[in-house]
Amino acid sequence: KAGVTQTPRYLIKTRGQQVTLSCSPISGHRSVSWYQQTPGQGLQFLFEYFSETQRNKGNFPGRFSGRQFSNSRSEMNVSTLELGDSALYLCASSYDRGYTFGSGTRLTVV
Amino acid sequence: AQSVTQPDIHITVSEGASLELRCNYSYGATPYLFWYVQSPGQGLQLLLKYFSGDTLVQGIKGFEAEFKRSQSSFNLRKPSVHWSDAAEYFCAVDHTGGFKTIFGAGTRLFVKA
Repeated sequence: KAGVTQTPRYLIKTRGQQVTLSCSPISGHRSVSWYQQTPGQGLQFLFEYFSETQRNKGNFPGRFSGRQFSNSRSEMNVSTLELGDSALYLCASSYDRGYTFGSGTRLTVV
Repeated sequence: AQSVTQPDIHITVSEGASLELRCNYSYGATPYLFWYVQSPGQGLQLLLKYFSGDTLVQGIKGFEAEFKRSQSSFNLRKPSVHWSDAAEYFCAVDHTGGFKTIFGAGTRLFVKA
């Protein structure tokens, strides 16, 4: 079956802009989580959604937001981009315990 | 609060040699533990997981891990490393409150011919 699909794979944005990243989970997986990965901070949890409800949120500023649709697809949005937002953003879906990750979106803020 | 420590930032082993990657966790109860592998520029792939029962768990790609409650450890092992195993390996634990997983800082594995 198809894996977790993240679009786009690469993105270059300017400081102050906003960006939306998309994630399509594995069919049947209702939980979608987002992580930010940077060389300095490693994997940092952003948020988790289940059946369109955010069940947990990490320690990120309010500029980071997300949502989940009725078909379990999820989006995350970052507004007013800062240079420090440059990272690999990973989406992961889950049926029970343990994630299946997408290949990520590499965001570069210039 | 839960935490995961991977003491080794990087490890170099010869192809064909055995491998052990260390992981220590901090958790109040029996944890849900995982090992993931990440190739450059890619997402993470689940190698194996431990929830309960037999403390030696088998995973994909010939990896295994042993849960030792007394040492709060969950070390990953492979008897014979292949060049294609070169990657970054992450140990992880599920958060008590649920709905998120906490990852260690990762151990980068280099394989020399």
